[in-house]
Amino acid sequence: AQSVAQPEDQVNVAEGNPLTVKCTYSVSGNPYLFWYVQYPNRGLQFLLKYITGDNLVKGSYGFEAEFNKSQTSFHLKKPSALVSDSALYFCAVRDRGSGNTPLVFGKGTRLSVIA
Amino acid sequence: DGGITQSPKYLFRKEGQNVTLSCEQNLNHDAMYWYRQDPGQGLRLIYYSQIVNDFQKGDIAEGYSVSREKKESFPLTVTSAQKNPTAFYLCASRHPQSNYGYTFGSGTRLTVV
Repeated sequence: AQSVAQPEDQVNVAEGNPLTVKCTYSVSGNPYLFWYVQYPNRGLQFLLKYITGDNLVKGSYGFEAEFNKSQTSFHLKKPSALVSDSALYFCAVRDRGSGNTPLVFGKGTRLSVIA
Repeated sequence: DGGITQSPKYLFRKEGQNVTLSCEQNLNHDAMYWYRQDPGQGLRLIYYSQIVNDFQKGDIAEGYSVSREKKESFPLTVTSAQKNPTAFYLCASRHPQSNYGYTFGSGTRLTVV
């Protein structure tokens, strides 16, 4: 079975400070991992993905994420937070060997960047 | 521009009434998905379809029905059997290559009145 955990419901960070949104996953094989962002009353927007190769993945809006296989983690990071980064963030996973099974999403982490 | 269109943006349902949420895509994606979003519960999968004329139940299919008569369209019907339908509903589609993520529509907010 596939699962994703986002241990923090809410993350607060001051503008200009680095931010981290945590994600851990569980799959039987190797994972495809994704981060999405959602603004109020909107759909989810793709930020970045890990498929294979370099463990550090760079995505949209200055975000990056580091794949750590030993810790089964895929934490989202940004060196300097902006107020406009305030949104709901979702981590998602699919087992690479599971064919076309649907993505499994975490429950989301609300990021609040304070000016 | 290619994308997914969900309509209506807001929908109000009376008790005992069936309503249908529309989802149309022009991305030529084979797979389409319906998720329900409730505060603090993330996204829960209702139904998905890998190909025309075929679909599978997700984790919370009870009280919902779908059809997939055309590649571009995947409508969701919320039936009177769904006792707590008030939620935000998201439709998504996926590129044929399995390592791609999903493209999401902008959602429909359904409220029971």
